[in-house]
Amino acid sequence: GAVVSQHPSWVICKSGTSVKIECRSLDFQATTMFWYRQFPKQSLMLMATSNEGSKATYEQGVEKDKFLINHASLTLSTLTVTSAHPEDSSFYICSARDQVVSGNTIYFGEGSWLTVV
Amino acid sequence: GENVEQHPSTLSVQEGDSAVIKCTYSDSASNYFPWYKQELGKRPQLIIDIRSNVGEKKDQRIAVTLNKTAKHFSLHITETQPEDSAVYFCAAIGWDQKLVFGQGTRLTINP
Repeated sequence: GAVVSQHPSWVICKSGTSVKIECRSLDFQATTMFWYRQFPKQSLMLMATSNEGSKATYEQGVEKDKFLINHASLTLSTLTVTSAHPEDSSFYICSARDQVVSGNTIYFGEGSWLTVV
Repeated sequence: GENVEQHPSTLSVQEGDSAVIKCTYSDSASNYFPWYKQELGKRPQLIIDIRSNVGEKKDQRIAVTLNKTAKHFSLHITETQPEDSAVYFCAAIGWDQKLVFGQGTRLTINP
């Protein structure tokens, strides 16, 4: 089946630095990808919609200048957490939809644990 | 946008009994309702889904029902087993094609 790969699986960074997380659709093209954040014992909260070739659209309350999203190709979206702070520590996960082969089936990446120290 | 409410937040049942988790949604245009099981620190795993043109779907011990009029859908797990213990999320795709999750239910199966 369709696979979405996310990298890195976990990352530790110092406060004030930036971290990039990649999300790749391995065997299908994804014009749209989604980025979620999940704090411990909470639900997955949609952060933004990543659109290939255009700007991402952000959910209310998500700072677009802090969470930079780039979707330069049909198989890759990146999320960069800029000037990270300890409160940004969370589980970040992407998803993509294979609209051609599987209708609207949604595939998730493995997720990335970010710890800011 | 879509808003999904899920209840209960925790559920504990005896092994072999049934478990029911309920969700409501706000967007009448929503047409796809998946259920996910999530292990700690891992991606959500799709366990069953239902589309708006169907009222019920069953896959072995798992079933989902959808009431479009009332805008609610439910997950039913029968003959529960210890390996069913996990966090379960309902979700819905609204008119804007965004997948919105419920708050989650931590299901514990007691042996």
